[in-house]
Amino acid sequence: QQQVKQSPQSLIVQKGGISIINCAYENTAFDYFPWYQQFPGKGPALLIAIRPDVSEKKEGRFTISFNKSAKQFSLHIMDSQPGDSATYFCAASKGILNNDMRFGAGTRLTVKP
Amino acid sequence: NAGVTQTPKFRILKIGQSMTLQCTQDMNHNYMYWYRQDPGMGLKLIYYSVGAGITDKGEVPNGYNVSRSTTEDFPLRLELAAPSQTSVYFCASRTKTGSIRGGTDTQYFGPGTRLTVL
Repeated sequence: QQQVKQSPQSLIVQKGGISIINCAYENTAFDYFPWYQQFPGKGPALLIAIRPDVSEKKEGRFTISFNKSAKQFSLHIMDSQPGDSATYFCAASKGILNNDMRFGAGTRLTVKP
Repeated sequence: NAGVTQTPKFRILKIGQSMTLQCTQDMNHNYMYWYRQDPGMGLKLIYYSVGAGITDKGEVPNGYNVSRSTTEDFPLRLELAAPSQTSVYFCASRTKTGSIRGGTDTQYFGPGTRLTVL
C-alpha cells in the first residue's frame, strides 16, 4: 500500500521557469513532510520540510505548499536552474524523528538551459 | 568531519553469499537508519537505531540484520543473499534540535552501496 503518491514521474522545465512537484498522502496521522533532493550517484539530501500548522514554507527558491484538508503538499522551485536537475522525493511521517517515514517514488527533474 | 561514510561503494554477490555493509558517522547522532532504494522507487526503511545497543525493524527487514555497538557504527548484515536484494543501500544519521513539538531536523545520508546479487 503506497501511503505517499508523488507526481509527475518526470518533469522538464526551461531555465527560469517554475517546477512543481505534487504529493498526496493517506494517513492523517502524518504530521511532518520533508522533501529530499538526490543527484545521480549520491545519497538524498534533506531540502526543506513543513509541519501541518502552516500552509506554506519558503527557503530561498524552494517553497512547500501544504493543503491539510486535501492531504496534499507540493514543492515549487522558482527560477529553476540547470543545477536543480535531480530527483526529488517527498516523504511523510508521524513526528520529525518517527522511524516509519514513507517516501514517494520520486520525480526526475530536468532543467534545460 | 566526514559525515556519513559507507563501504563498499559497489559489490557483486552470488546467491547464498553473505556480506556486511559498513556505515560510520562522526556527528554523534543517536539516530541511524538503513534504507534500500530500488530503481524508480522511493526509499524503504530496513532497520533503524535510536542509540547504541538499540535497534528495531523498519518496513522491509527480512533477510537483513543490524547491530549498534557504538554511536558511530551501524553495520548491515546480509545473510544468504538473494536476487531480490539487488538494490542501492543508503545509511543515514539524524538528529533533532529545538523544541519537542517543533525543532529542526538534521539528516545526512551516506553515498550509498550498489549491490548486485547474481
